[in-house]
Amino acid sequence: NAGVTQTPKFRVLKTGQSMTLLCAQDMNHEYMYWYRQDPGMGLRLIHYSVGEGTTAKGEVPDGYNVSRLKKQNFLLGLESAAPSQTSVYFCASSRRAGVDEQYFGPGTRLTVT
Amino acid sequence: GNSVTQMEGPVTLSEEAFLTINCTYTATGYPSLFWYVQYPGEGLQLLLKATKADDKGSNKGFEATYRKETTSFHLEKGSVQVSDSAVYFCALSGPDSNYQLIWGAGTKLIIKP
Repeated sequence: NAGVTQTPKFRVLKTGQSMTLLCAQDMNHEYMYWYRQDPGMGLRLIHYSVGEGTTAKGEVPDGYNVSRLKKQNFLLGLESAAPSQTSVYFCASSRRAGVDEQYFGPGTRLTVT
Repeated sequence: GNSVTQMEGPVTLSEEAFLTINCTYTATGYPSLFWYVQYPGEGLQLLLKATKADDKGSNKGFEATYRKETTSFHLEKGSVQVSDSAVYFCALSGPDSNYQLIWGAGTKLIIKP
């Protein structure tokens, strides 16, 4: 049981380049989330999805797009990377929102120069 | 809106010391409260949770009690080990945040042998 996996683990981009981060879960969870983690700021929700084909904005959605074409996958796209998007990105999934545990992937460390 | 405030770190203790990490929250009604832990180089994982006032969550020797009167959910452990060194996050979920998790900034715990 792999849980939540993320690819890639590390990436360096130049300003203006684009990339897609892939998250996959094998727990048949309805809810999936993308967070960014910056020093001293905890986790901030970028976008989330409440089921296949749905997406919703979180706290810090600007500069990012997402898609949930299949229930097990949640993609995070950066169309034109900026240095302010240097961060560690975590994907998570849960059965429901609210009281259910969120299961996290190992993270992707992104540096934008 | 909802918010979570944690004590700033790092917190440095000797092995077998008593641990308290303070967490207070702002929310309407009765949110669910969580402690997540992040070990070095890993994603977050749920440590414990409480879903109603006066509930006590416990796991791996850690405990936290949901105190509605003081809007607190302090994390405690009677005797810490070197392996407890990690970053600890307090979080809440409630109707004000559309049941998405609102995170504290995290508290880094360092246990010295």
